[in-house]
Formats: sequence, C-alpha cells, structure tokens
Amino acid sequence: RKEVEQDPGPFNVPEGATVAFNCTYSNSASQSFFWYRQDCRKEPKLLMSVYSSGNEDGRFTAQLNRASQYISLLIRDSKLSDSATYLCVVNIDRQLTFGSGTQLTVLP
Amino acid sequence: DVKVTQSSRYLVKRTGEKVFLECVQDMDHENMFWYRQDPGLGLRLIYFSYDVKMKEKGDIPEGYSVSREKKERFSLILESASTNQTSMYLCASSLSGLAQYEQYFGPGTRLTVT
Repeated sequence: RKEVEQDPGPFNVPEGATVAFNCTYSNSASQSFFWYRQDCRKEPKLLMSVYSSGNEDGRFTAQLNRASQYISLLIRDSKLSDSATYLCVVNIDRQLTFGSGTQLTVLP
Repeated sequence: DVKVTQSSRYLVKRTGEKVFLECVQDMDHENMFWYRQDPGLGLRLIYFSYDVKMKEKGDIPEGYSVSREKKERFSLILESASTNQTSMYLCASSLSGLAQYEQYFGPGTRLTVT
C-alpha cells in the first residue's frame, strides 16, 4: 500500500468550476501536510501547507482530517492557469513523502 | 530569486557507465535532497543531506551514492548505470527549522540509460 494515495485523474473541468482533490495517508505518525503544484515539464513548487483547522489562500482551501488520515484541496472559480498536477505531500520524521499527483486540466 | 540548478536537462548514458549528476543552490540552504520521479510512482527520495559532508539514505538509495563537499553543491552518483535507473532526477534544497518543508526544486535531469 502506498504511503500517500491520490486519485491520478485526469480531472477535466470548465473554467469557473469548483474542483476538489482528495488524498489519504497511511502513517498515523505523519506530522505535517502540504500541497505542491507541478506544471507540465516543470519542477514541483509549494502551493500551501495544510493545518488541522483548515486554511484558505484565495481560491484554494485545504482541509485535514487526522482521524480519517485524509487531506483535501478545494479550488473555486478555476482558471486556465490552474491546469497542473497537484501533489499531496506528508512529512514523517523530517522527510517529505509525495503522492503521485492528481492531474487537472481547466478547459476554456 | 531562489535558484537551484542542475548540470544537464537531458542525459543519455550506456549501461555500466558511471554517471554524475550535479546540483547547485545559491540560497545558502542547509538541506539538500535528490529524488527520482517516475510515472505513477511520484517523487521518491534517494538521498539527502542536512549539512556539508553529511548524507543520509532515503527510501531508494540502492545503486546510488552522493557527495556534499560544499554547502551549495550536492552530487548524485550512479556507480554503474542500469536501464532501471532511466528516470527524471530532481534536486531540491531547503532551509532548516520550520522552513524545511518548503523545498525548492531544480528543473530536473531526464536520464536515459541504454
């Protein structure tokens, strides 16, 4: 079983749609959580951290459910520029473990 | 502006060759990492280093070694390249402490072993 599991997609949504990605992790000792974004043929970049209380950054909302070992990312009013692969990332003992990513394409 | 550079974008090597992948960061970061990225498997950690001359094994160190003689440079060495090491190799760096989870990645080296 993978330590971090994501639906690979692809998710194809129209501009302006709301889309949600889910991620589950298997190690209950996981300490902190993140979403990274990777554009096609580019390197990953940190999108946002995920806090227990949930947090928002503009159109992006991240949620964490420790009891269910579940992380989510919600994107509202999606833009063409949101097209990318979204990587769920978990920190265990100072090492980051990356999910294989969920591909999003926002269509005009 | 934060910058991590890798010595090559594309590399083709033959089975059995010794391969050196170089990574340089200009941000004075303490931590440096080597990952490989394969379709469906995500990024997997090969080796990392929290300081000069220090190195620690990640999840898949077999067939690889590393060198960190200077703070800004972290080298990945494939002692005897094999076809199953064909992959995208990504180097990253980060500060220590609470900022350590924001890793800055280089553009990657796509290595093909024939």
